[in-house]
Amino acid sequence: ETGVTQTPRHLVMGMTNKKSLKCEQHLGHNAMYWYKQSAKKPLELMFVYSLEERVENNSVPSRFSPECPNSSHLFLHLHTLQPEDSALYLCASSQDLGGVADTQYFGPGTRLTVL
Amino acid sequence: DQQVKQNSPSLSVQEGRISILNCDYTNSMFDYFLWYKKYPAEGPTFLISISSIKDKNEDGRFTVFLNKSAKHLSLHIVPSQPGDSAVYFCAASARGIQGAQKLVFGQGTRLTINP
Repeated sequence: ETGVTQTPRHLVMGMTNKKSLKCEQHLGHNAMYWYKQSAKKPLELMFVYSLEERVENNSVPSRFSPECPNSSHLFLHLHTLQPEDSALYLCASSQDLGGVADTQYFGPGTRLTVL
Repeated sequence: DQQVKQNSPSLSVQEGRISILNCDYTNSMFDYFLWYKKYPAEGPTFLISISSIKDKNEDGRFTVFLNKSAKHLSLHIVPSQPGDSAVYFCAASARGIQGAQKLVFGQGTRLTINP
């Protein structure tokens, strides 16, 4: 595997379920990100991790809980979601936190549907 | 309040001609601008970027122009090729509270190159 991978690619869950999204990067990067893209809306930054430490939480509801056990893996734990949380969830990584030129590399995303 | 706007949701261009994608922003604190390209079922991939201290950056068929006084940037693709058909996202970079690079994205423009 190369680049940034995400599993699962598609997920359908009920509002009372608990599920997790997984992201793995094979680029040796130190920073990882979660983004959300709802229909007809721009990508929105949710969380930023650097060296396994959360450095940014963009006012995301607590029903989304990120976890970064090491610099290669990032999880997004989901519980008691709402139908409006249905969206494409994208993971990204960058070498560091940003140097302005620190390009972010994206995974293919998980298409989440909450029933 | 959307800080980065791509006002054209779609654009259709003849193969071999020039494609011009536009982006406007409102926050004068943005110091770096990027264009990402997205194919269906894939994550966005970095295309080209420009620092706020420059007004032009060229990479092969792709050129990005920045007009800071107008808070406007554009991506020129010439000549356009069928493989350029994709959704193009404009993004602007700002610093978060802890120094993390935060990308703010536009809604995207779907470019279709007709043979």
